[in-house]
Amino acid sequence: GQSLEQPSEVTAVEGAIVQINCTYQTSGFYGLSWYQQHDGGAPTFLSYNALDGLEETGRFSSFLSRSDSYGYLLLQELQMKDSASYFCAVRDTGSARQLTFGSGTQLTVLP
Amino acid sequence: DADVTQTPRNRITKTGKRIMLECSQTKGHDRMYWYRQDPGLGLRLIYYSFDVKDINKGEISDGYSVSRQAQAKFSLSLESAIPNQTALYFCATSDFRAGSTGELFFGEGSRLTVL
Repeated sequence: GQSLEQPSEVTAVEGAIVQINCTYQTSGFYGLSWYQQHDGGAPTFLSYNALDGLEETGRFSSFLSRSDSYGYLLLQELQMKDSASYFCAVRDTGSARQLTFGSGTQLTVLP
Repeated sequence: DADVTQTPRNRITKTGKRIMLECSQTKGHDRMYWYRQDPGLGLRLIYYSFDVKDINKGEISDGYSVSRQAQAKFSLSLESAIPNQTALYFCATSDFRAGSTGELFFGEGSRLTVL
């Protein structure tokens, strides 16, 4: 099976940089994804890492270290609209390639 | 119109009642999923389907059943609802291809309250 750990809450101010960490344990690892969810809304896909290194998409970047079973989401130039929950999710190597989600990190951006 | 549509969006019911949540998609994806979300527990997979003839149990399938009526439709049923099934339910789709990210496209959610 899979298990993921991420901080439950993070607070930062507008314009700052914040890093949300995710460590995972899995019997078979295929990739690490990140999703954003605003209160009451649908989760939306942010990024995916299958290989070690940094993937950048605008203000958001995601990093993966397969040897450390660790990844993070980096949010730069924080904006109020970035206040949301962020979930890491592991994709397994089974035929189903299913996603197992972490419990989520609630990011609060203060003015 | 949303690519993944769930109905109803909100439902309040009583213990013991049968409830069906419906999901339809216009993305043309083969894979469909039902997830449950509880505060502090993230998203947990209930059932998933790779095509019309394929149904698979997820992490928490007890007390639930599903039907894949067509490629575009995937419904979730609670045969006899109980209060601890009160949760936010999400339908999702994905288009699995070699080398793809496996991105899930979620519906807007169905909030179910069982009294």
